[in-house]
Amino acid sequence: EVQLVESGGGVVRPGGSLRLSCAVYGFTFVDYAMSWVRQGPGKGLEWVSGIDWNGGSRRYADSVKGRFTISRDNAKNSLYLQMNTLRAEDTALYYCARVGRYDLFYYMDVWGKGTTVTVSS
Amino acid sequence: QSVLTQPPSVSAAPGQNVTMSCSGSSSNIAKNYVSWYQQLPGTAPKLLIYDNNNRPSGIPDRFSGSKSGTSATLGITGLQTGDEADYYCGTWDTSLGARVFGGGTKLTVL
Repeated sequence: EVQLVESGGGVVRPGGSLRLSCAVYGFTFVDYAMSWVRQGPGKGLEWVSGIDWNGGSRRYADSVKGRFTISRDNAKNSLYLQMNTLRAEDTALYYCARVGRYDLFYYMDVWGKGTTVTVSS
Repeated sequence: QSVLTQPPSVSAAPGQNVTMSCSGSSSNIAKNYVSWYQQLPGTAPKLLIYDNNNRPSGIPDRFSGSKSGTSATLGITGLQTGDEADYYCGTWDTSLGARVFGGGTKLTVL
């Protein structure tokens, strides 16, 4: 079964750091680009970052550029999001999502259940 | 403020048909494929339509997508109470170099 399982969320103070992980199961990880998408409380979807199949292309939303870093380990079938200098407005449910093809530009066809990040003093 | 504009809400009775719009610009919808996602309450988003008008396997043909110029439309026929959800459009924005979503449309089936 194709599955994405996020972990690493929690409560952190403003200015702090967290590292999210996404373990993937049931498909050939290296064949697909991956993304992180977040949803603030009561808000819509916001794309955060994406990475192509081999990590050669990485893109970020302006709201996180310079603070967040996306990476992947194809040997471990895992996607990561290093989040630094966290702000209250980063509070959200963070979804890991598979991009339908090897490149970043396409739809997201498989989604995890999400991991919650709360930034609060 | 989302890059793509969707109406905040639409409503219709069971059995009726509904359409919802997604308006963008020359740097996003006009140049790239549009996808649509359904988010039932308390659940993760689910892909409904990809590449403007294609349905993944398992999505009923009651759902359809179309694109013209800088706008896209999601259509749902034969509404069911189980279709009550938030619907989001998404595409790549070539100028921003980023994926963008609409603000979402809440569908109420009266």
